[in-house]
Amino acid sequence: KQEVTQIPAALSVPEGENLVLNCSFTDSAIYNLQWFRQDPGKGLTSLLLIQSSQREQTSGRLNASLDKSSGRSTLYIAASQPGDSATYLCAVNTNAGKSTFGDGTTLTVKP
Amino acid sequence: DAGITQSPRYKITETGRQVTLMCHQTWSHSYMFWYRQDLGHGLRLIYYSAAADITDKGEVPDGYVVSRSKTENFPLTLESATRSQTSVYFCASRVDRSQETQYFGPGTRLLVL
Repeated sequence: KQEVTQIPAALSVPEGENLVLNCSFTDSAIYNLQWFRQDPGKGLTSLLLIQSSQREQTSGRLNASLDKSSGRSTLYIAASQPGDSATYLCAVNTNAGKSTFGDGTTLTVKP
Repeated sequence: DAGITQSPRYKITETGRQVTLMCHQTWSHSYMFWYRQDLGHGLRLIYYSAAADITDKGEVPDGYVVSRSKTENFPLTLESATRSQTSVYFCASRVDRSQETQYFGPGTRLLVL
């Protein structure tokens, strides 16, 4: 059974700092991995999708990496802003079409 | 472009009652999913569907029933609601099982008294 762990559970940083969120998974036979953002009381918004054959994906200030063999992914956020405050979830997808989510990291960026 | 919608957005019901949560998508995506999210936790898959008339269990299917007679709709029914089913329910869709992203609805907050 796939298990996905996100560390830390919560993170508080001052504005402008670069930060890394971690996601680990137990079964490396994945199809792809996706990072989502969730604002309080809202649904999930896709940030980055990394295929199993890729090492990283970038979108603006966000960079996600994937090391399938070690079962790890990181989400790097450069020059953090208060508007980045949210919960970040990673999801590991199998070729059967199912996803397993981590519990998320709640990020607070202080002005 | 309405995307994926859920109704109702909020629901209060009592233990033992039947409740149906609706999910509708306008993209004709093949795959649809139902998740529940409990306070402080990630999402757990309840059921998913690869196409109309094809459904399969996820991680926590007990107490739930789904159907998919049309591609665009994927209702989730709680046959006899229990307090442990108090949660936020999210519907999602994806074009197919391949390499595309999942798109999520806004969620339904369900309280079972």
